[in-house]
Amino acid sequence: DVKVTQSSRYLVKRTGEKVFLECVQDMDHENMFWYRQDPGLGLRLIYFSYDVKMKEKGDIPEGYSVSREKKERFSLILESASTNQTSMYLCASSIQVAGGQETQYFGPGTRLLVL
Amino acid sequence: EDQVTQSPEALRLQEGESSSLNCSYTVSGLRGLFWYRQDPGKGPEFLFTLYSAGEEKEKERLKATLTKKESFLHITAPKPEDSATYLCAVLPRGSNYQLIWGAGTKLIIKP
Repeated sequence: DVKVTQSSRYLVKRTGEKVFLECVQDMDHENMFWYRQDPGLGLRLIYFSYDVKMKEKGDIPEGYSVSREKKERFSLILESASTNQTSMYLCASSIQVAGGQETQYFGPGTRLLVL
Repeated sequence: EDQVTQSPEALRLQEGESSSLNCSYTVSGLRGLFWYRQDPGKGPEFLFTLYSAGEEKEKERLKATLTKKESFLHITAPKPEDSATYLCAVLPRGSNYQLIWGAGTKLIIKP
C-alpha cells in the first residue's frame, strides 16, 4: 500500500513565524505535491516537484517555498506565516509513467492555525 | 478553459437508497479522471482512475463510469459509513502534473 505521511496533524503558529511542513512517501514516487484546501475553494495546488531538487509553481505559490533534497521527502515552508495561511495542507505523491502521471495518493493532512 | 463541475453539491439519502453523483468536465483531451473519497478532517482517499469513454470500475457498493463529457459515481444500497465528500479530478492531455479538481459532492446517508 502507498503510504504518504505528514509531520503533524495539527499546528498552531503565530503571525510572522517560519513554518515547516514535512511530507514523506515510501513508494519511490517521482512526483510530489502540496495543496491547500479551504471551504468553498476546494483543492488548490501550491507547488509540485517531479524530481529531486526540481520544483514548479502551482496556482497559489505566493508566500510559500518548497524543498526536495531527497526523493521521498518534500517540505513546504511558510517564510513568514500570516493569518490567511490558516488552512488544511495536503501532500500527495504519484508515479511518473510514459505520457503522464498516475494516480495521486494523499497524506492525512495538516491543519494549520495561524494566530 | 479547462473545468470540472460536480453535482449535486450535497445529497441526502436514506440507507439503501441508490443514487448517482455526477462529474462533468470540459478539457482539451482527457488523460485520466480520478475519483476520491474524503472524510472530514482527513486527506482524500483514492477510489478509481478512468482513462477512456466506456470504461467502468467497481468497488463494493461503488461503480464509476466514464463518457466523453462526464463521469458518474453510482452508489448502490448505500450505508451510513458511505457518508463522505466525493471528489472528482481530471488530468487534461497536455498537462503532465496539474489536476483540475471539482468542488466535491457531500453525501449523507441516514440510517
